[in-house]
Amino acid sequence: GIQVEQSPPDLILQEGANSTLRCNFSDSVNNLQWFHQNPWGQLINLFYIPSGTKQNGRLSATTVATERYSLLYISSSQTTDSGVYFCAVAGANNLFFGTGTRLTVIP
Amino acid sequence: DAGVIQSPRHEVTEMGQEVTLRCKPISGHDYLFWYRQTMMRGLELLIYFNNNVPIDDSGMPEDRFSAKMPNASFSTLKIQPSEPRDSAVYFCASSLVGTKYFGEGSWLTVV
Repeated sequence: GIQVEQSPPDLILQEGANSTLRCNFSDSVNNLQWFHQNPWGQLINLFYIPSGTKQNGRLSATTVATERYSLLYISSSQTTDSGVYFCAVAGANNLFFGTGTRLTVIP
Repeated sequence: DAGVIQSPRHEVTEMGQEVTLRCKPISGHDYLFWYRQTMMRGLELLIYFNNNVPIDDSGMPEDRFSAKMPNASFSTLKIQPSEPRDSAVYFCASSLVGTKYFGEGSWLTVV
């Protein structure tokens, strides 16, 4: 399967700070998604972004498919941003998940 | 649409009992996936269906696990007999093209 590596594994931010999460993948992909798993365990779809850049409020994501990486930007972080951020890539119809970045935003 | 609906949300059962997890995908979606999340192994694909037909079940850990999709709006994942190592969060997801949408998960504890 496709290998997906995320960095950093853990991140602690002061509220209001910005951060960049990285996802590297080992092969060409048809699909890349970023998810946020909140402290209650819910997996929430953030972006479907096989290439290019998208923005949604304080979050934005960029995927450079030719270089096999994607970045998730969080600006002006809030305590509700805490949780685990997963990058997942797809070849055919399977999603290969990274091990996630655990983000803790402290007030 | 209400999104992907899973039940039960939480279940605690004794070792050896049968467990049935249920999933209602988003209407119109033709792909359905079952994932399992554990601390040790992260998120793993167990099985997925296309148009109600199982396509890849290579992720199903062993014969104790089975999944069915009798129609486009319902799927079950069954564990019989359950073991403590099956304790995990089981997610169902559905998709049409591209984005996959996940249910809220079924938290299973086998004691």
